[in-house]
Amino acid sequence: AQSVTQLDSQVPVFEEAPVELRCNYSSSVSVYLFWYVQYPNQGLQLLLKYLSGSTLVESINGFEAEFNKSQTSFHLRKPSVHISDTAEYFCAVSDINSGGYQKVTFGTGTKLQVIP
Amino acid sequence: DSGVTQTPKHLITATGQRVTLRCSPRSGDLSVYWYQQSLDQGLQFLIQYYNGEERAKGNILERFSAQQFPDLHSELNLSSLELGDSALYFCASSVGGARGDTQYFGPGTRLTVL
Repeated sequence: AQSVTQLDSQVPVFEEAPVELRCNYSSSVSVYLFWYVQYPNQGLQLLLKYLSGSTLVESINGFEAEFNKSQTSFHLRKPSVHISDTAEYFCAVSDINSGGYQKVTFGTGTKLQVIP
Repeated sequence: DSGVTQTPKHLITATGQRVTLRCSPRSGDLSVYWYQQSLDQGLQFLIQYYNGEERAKGNILERFSAQQFPDLHSELNLSSLELGDSALYFCASSVGGARGDTQYFGPGTRLTVL
């Protein structure tokens, strides 16, 4: 069975400082990995995803995540955060259920609080 | 705007009652997913439909049921409501049900059970 662990429930960071949000996963099959972001009072939206190919994936707003198979990790990083990055970030792993359909398991989320 | 719509936005009801939450997926998406988000349990997958057929079940209680209609909109029915059912309920849609498909989330329905 697949699972996702986000060890940090909250991460406070000063504006313009770097940040890393940690995600570890377990899965019995080759993995597809996602980071979703939830801004206050909104639904989740995809930030970036790893399906195959380059282990480093980037989003349009400066975040990047690196798939590390040996460490079963998919940490999210940004070199310089902005106030507008304040949100909750969810790591997720995708598997296939017995019917051949996607089953996505989400982590418990990490609240990023950017301090002015 | 994800293109996924959910109604109502807020719902306040009493214990023992029954409510229906509605979701319209993005145009062209065949899969619909339902999630429950609460402070104590985080984001929990409830159920998935693909083109009208149930495809996956998560932590969905027997008091809850869902369906996807021929026009692809979906409804989540919650009955015999308890205080603990108070939560945000999200609907998401994707093109199909394949691995790697991005899920597009609606704005959610906030259910308060008094």
